Amino acid sequence: GQQVMQIPQYQHVQEGEDFTTYCNSSTTLSNIQWYKQRPGGHPVFLIQLVKSGEVKKQKRLTFQFGEAKKNSSLHITATQTTDVGTYFCADGSSNTGKLIFGQGTTLQVKP
Amino acid sequence: NAGVTQTPKFQVLKTGQSMTLQCAQDMNHEYMSWYRQDPGMGLRLIHYSVGAGITDQGEVPNGYNVSRSTTEDFPLRLLSAAPSQTSVYFCASSYSTGKNIQYFGAGTRLSVL
Repeated sequence: GQQVMQIPQYQHVQEGEDFTTYCNSSTTLSNIQWYKQRPGGHPVFLIQLVKSGEVKKQKRLTFQFGEAKKNSSLHITATQTTDVGTYFCADGSSNTGKLIFGQGTTLQVKP
Repeated sequence: NAGVTQTPKFQVLKTGQSMTLQCAQDMNHEYMSWYRQDPGMGLRLIHYSVGAGITDQGEVPNGYNVSRSTTEDFPLRLLSAAPSQTSVYFCASSYSTGKNIQYFGAGTRLSVL
């Protein structure tokens, strides 16, 4: 079935360093969503990308959707301790409300 | 609005026991889903519903039943709990139109001994 692969699984960075997580699909996606889950919390929607080559920014977070709409990335510039958590990408192509999630990347930030 | 409410927050079961995880949303969302989260596995879809009276299986449906008698409620039933069902369970809901942004409940942490 449809799979969304996300790497790396874990990332430890020093505060102030940059961080990137990558998401890849074997099939073309109509859209991709990104969620953040704080430790002990629940996933919270961050953004949705729809267009080929789309780039969106939210403060220090930059989201990209590949030209072929098969991959996406989330880049955080100058990480802060508030960035700690697990970041998930999700295939939102279904028209029945289903999301297929990647495995997530857990970010640890050392102060 | 309370959003998506899940109860209980924590539960410990013995193997073979049954229980129902409750999920209710007050946003008038048509779509509702149940996911389980295990370390290194991400969020895996168990069952989902596109409206009252309509449910379908996700990636990992075995051992779980659902029903959707109202728009607001989407309970998840474990008929005979097994240790492999130890997990964190999340319920989510979304509109049928627009971006399909999912709103998650706080989760139920279930241990099966």
